[in-house]
Amino acid sequence: NAGVMQNPRHLVRRRGQEARLRCSPMKGHSHVYWYRQLPEEGLKFMVYLQKENIIDESGMPKERFSAEFPKEGPSILRIQQVVRGDSAAYFCASSPRTGGGTDTQYFGPGTRLTVL
Amino acid sequence: AQSVTQLDSQVPVFEEAPVELRCNYSSSVSVYLFWYVQYPNQGLQLLLKYLSGSTLVESINGFEAEFNKSQTSFHLRKPSVHISDTAEYFCAVTEEGGYNKLIFGAGTRLAVHP
Repeated sequence: NAGVMQNPRHLVRRRGQEARLRCSPMKGHSHVYWYRQLPEEGLKFMVYLQKENIIDESGMPKERFSAEFPKEGPSILRIQQVVRGDSAAYFCASSPRTGGGTDTQYFGPGTRLTVL
Repeated sequence: AQSVTQLDSQVPVFEEAPVELRCNYSSSVSVYLFWYVQYPNQGLQLLLKYLSGSTLVESINGFEAEFNKSQTSFHLRKPSVHISDTAEYFCAVTEEGGYNKLIFGAGTRLAVHP
């Protein structure tokens, strides 16, 4: 059973470009979470999605960031008009169900975004 | 709202010595507690978690953590560390009955020296 897949592993963008990060959850998992890890900091929750639904986006910046998890295909985190402060590692995690807070989340290897 | 504090950003230790990584949390509701480990350039892996029952939980590689409700702590310990334990360790909580959103501490970098 393949783990959580993220691509690309490294992404370099110039200021003002768009960044598109992809996440394929583990087989059988229908819950996806995105986290951001800034240098020398812990992970911060961004958004929680189920298939075709955004359940909790309380950690998403109000502008330029969006996420989706379509019926078919991977989850996408999209950052428009990137700025240097967006440089970070972006991790995706998946779980089989919500579980009221008890479920283990399985993390992908992350996408390291560098904005020049 | 919940918050997690990891009191030590870095912990250097010699091989085969014991280690304790400290974690305290703050929450107005009941929480579940987790320790994750991150090896260089990799994603996070679950080390252990406390949901209910015995307050002492153990992992398969010799780590253990004890939930102390009165002190709102969940410290991670290992009696004898190996070089391969060098990694970043994150303490995290989720809200009981919530959406499984993990709230992380800032992490503790464990460096094991020969």
